[in-house]
Amino acid sequence: GNSVTQMEGPVTLSEEAFLTINCTYTATGYPSLFWYVQYPGEGLQLLLKATKADDKGSNKGFEATYRKETTSFHLEKGSVQVSDSAVYFCALSALEGAQKLVFGQGTRLTINP
Amino acid sequence: DAGVTQSPTHLIKTRGQQVTLRCSPISGHKSVSWYQQVLGQGPQFIFQYYEKEERGRGNFPDRFSARQFPNYSSELNVNALLLGDSALYLCASSLENYYGYTFGSGTRLTVV
Repeated sequence: GNSVTQMEGPVTLSEEAFLTINCTYTATGYPSLFWYVQYPGEGLQLLLKATKADDKGSNKGFEATYRKETTSFHLEKGSVQVSDSAVYFCALSALEGAQKLVFGQGTRLTINP
Repeated sequence: DAGVTQSPTHLIKTRGQQVTLRCSPISGHKSVSWYQQVLGQGPQFIFQYYEKEERGRGNFPDRFSARQFPNYSSELNVNALLLGDSALYLCASSLENYYGYTFGSGTRLTVV
């Protein structure tokens, strides 16, 4: 079946540090890939997405590239801010009768000033 | 435009009771999906509805049911509540052909 594996957290960085959160996936066919962010007490917000191999999704300084050869979609940001502190979820979408998202377990990120 | 709205925001129920959660999708979105997010985990797919028909169901017991109305809003019902049903229930809506799910803020259900 389809699955997503994220690097375990929590991750703690200092402001302006470089961020990488690893995500790998297992899927049949050609899924779309996503990163969602969840701030405390809130629902999920779509951060970025990529729908085919070699696509790069980007938003708010975050980037991720769909790597089919390594089945990966790692999230990166060059200089994090305190406001980036949240839980980040990698997810894939595969049409299996239903359009459903399969999520990783989430990575909690804390940025210290 | 309003986003995905869910009600209520918080709910406390007793074991064995029944609960109904509600979701209004973004205007123009015909698909609604439900997810359960247990504390510390990623969301798990429960149902997808499109044009009032169930398109898919996750690995949840028959105590969970849902429906979609002609205006595309949706209800999720859970019968015979268990302590393990305590979670954040998220609703997401999307256009006919998926290009991005938009999630609501969720209903936090606590079963005591």
